[in-house]
Amino acid sequence: QPVVTQPPSSSASPGESARLTCTLRSDINVATSNIYWYQQKPGRPPRFLLHYYSDSEKVQASGVPSRFSASKDVSANTGILFISGLQSEDEADYYCMIWPTKVVFGGGTKLTVL
Amino acid sequence: QERLVESGGGVVQPGRSLRLSCAASGFTFSRFAMHWVRQAPGKGLEWVALISFDGSNKYCADSLEGRCTISRDNSKATLHLQMNSLRLDDTAVYYCTAWGITSAYGLDVWGQGTTVTVSS
Repeated sequence: QPVVTQPPSSSASPGESARLTCTLRSDINVATSNIYWYQQKPGRPPRFLLHYYSDSEKVQASGVPSRFSASKDVSANTGILFISGLQSEDEADYYCMIWPTKVVFGGGTKLTVL
Repeated sequence: QERLVESGGGVVQPGRSLRLSCAASGFTFSRFAMHWVRQAPGKGLEWVALISFDGSNKYCADSLEGRCTISRDNSKATLHLQMNSLRLDDTAVYYCTAWGITSAYGLDVWGQGTTVTVSS
């Protein structure tokens, strides 16, 4: 079972919201995990978006719009990236990352803005 | 402006070694942990290695099976990655990235990457 699982693809229309998930292997507790989210556009290096541990412990990277936010679904052992008011420029690959003992990236979700 | 510039990529035969470098500028290099992350063609991100700010702690991904050595020269603001016994599946773009420069958390500064192609 992979350490981190992300759906390979997701799609939404401009102006709508997207909810991207990052499910941790059952032996890693999302409640006590720092989750990091990255955006990558074709031909470009990844861009750090935000960090989420809890509502009181989170970091938004400089320049990242407030349309991007994160949370956790502890019952599903899952980290979540929300993108509201989708724009065409949000079309990209999104990766979550955790660091239990060593750094692990999820497989990424390709977000299509239709 | 924080900047990372990788070099050393190219075409290399299977079984050979390669040393990648990353030149840092625009920030106090010696204060920050550094990582290498790679991305095979059409694939996702894969973490490769980490070195602490002072070089005292080093870690490579288990998947690299001891073929990886990360090092840094703080006097020259340079990061290195030595990869040995290269295999076809080591073909990837290798990114140099820094932890926590502009944010308290996260790999928040990335280079443009250097491409390594392992081919006979």
